[in-house]
Amino acid sequence: DTGVSQDPRHKITKRGQNVTFRCDPISEHNRLYWYRQTLGQGPEFLTYFQNEAQLEKSRLLSDRFSAERPKGSFSTLEIQRTEQGDSAMYLCASSSRLSALNEQFFGPGTRLTVL
Amino acid sequence: DQQVKQNSPSLSVQEGRISILNCDYTNSMFDYFLWYKKYPAEGPTFLISISSIKDKNEDGRFTVFLNKSAKHLSLHIVPSQPGDSAVYFCAASAMNSGNTPLVFGKGTRLSVIA
Repeated sequence: DTGVSQDPRHKITKRGQNVTFRCDPISEHNRLYWYRQTLGQGPEFLTYFQNEAQLEKSRLLSDRFSAERPKGSFSTLEIQRTEQGDSAMYLCASSSRLSALNEQFFGPGTRLTVL
Repeated sequence: DQQVKQNSPSLSVQEGRISILNCDYTNSMFDYFLWYKKYPAEGPTFLISISSIKDKNEDGRFTVFLNKSAKHLSLHIVPSQPGDSAVYFCAASAMNSGNTPLVFGKGTRLSVIA
C-alpha cells in the first residue's frame, strides 16, 4: 500500500528544542497539505504545496514553523523553539490536481508532546 | 468564527438502524464538501464527497445530502454497523475560488451499539 506516510509517529521533546517531521505523499499526488489537530477539535490547515511551491500559509503558522518540499516529493515541517502549546497531532495529506472533488488522503499523523 | 459546525458532539445508534450526522456551514463560497472518519491514533479516512452542483451522492451504505439554501449537509449510514463507531468530520473547501485547503468541523463521535 503506497498511502501517505509520516515519520516519526510520536515525538516527545522539551520546551525550547527544535523538531522536524517528515511526510511522504502518495507518489502521483502533486498537492501536499499540513494540518494540526488538538483535542476536541477538527484538523486545522497550516500550509500547502503544489509541487515544490508553497502556495498558502495559515495565520496559525507562526515564524517558528517552516515547511519545505524540495523537488516536489516528500515534505518536512520544522518547529523551532517548541512551546507547550505546540503539543498536537500533525497531519499530512495529499491530493491530485486532477481530483474532481478535492479528496485529500491523510497519513497517520505525528503526535508531538512538548514537556 | 467556526465556518463549519457539527453541533452534536456525540450520537449513539443501535446496530442495523440509520445513523444521521449533521453539519452546517456559514461560508457561501464553499463548493465541495467531504466526510471523513477517524479512529483513535489514526489519520482521517476519506468517506464520501459532494459538489455544490448536486444535492445527493451515494456510495454503498453512505449517502450525503446537501441543502445549499440552508447551508446544511448530512451523512446517512444505513444500516449502521459496530465497525462504524468512530469520530466523523465534515469538511468543506472553496475550490472554484482557488482555495483547496479543507475547513473542518469539530467532529461527531458515533457509537453503534450491538
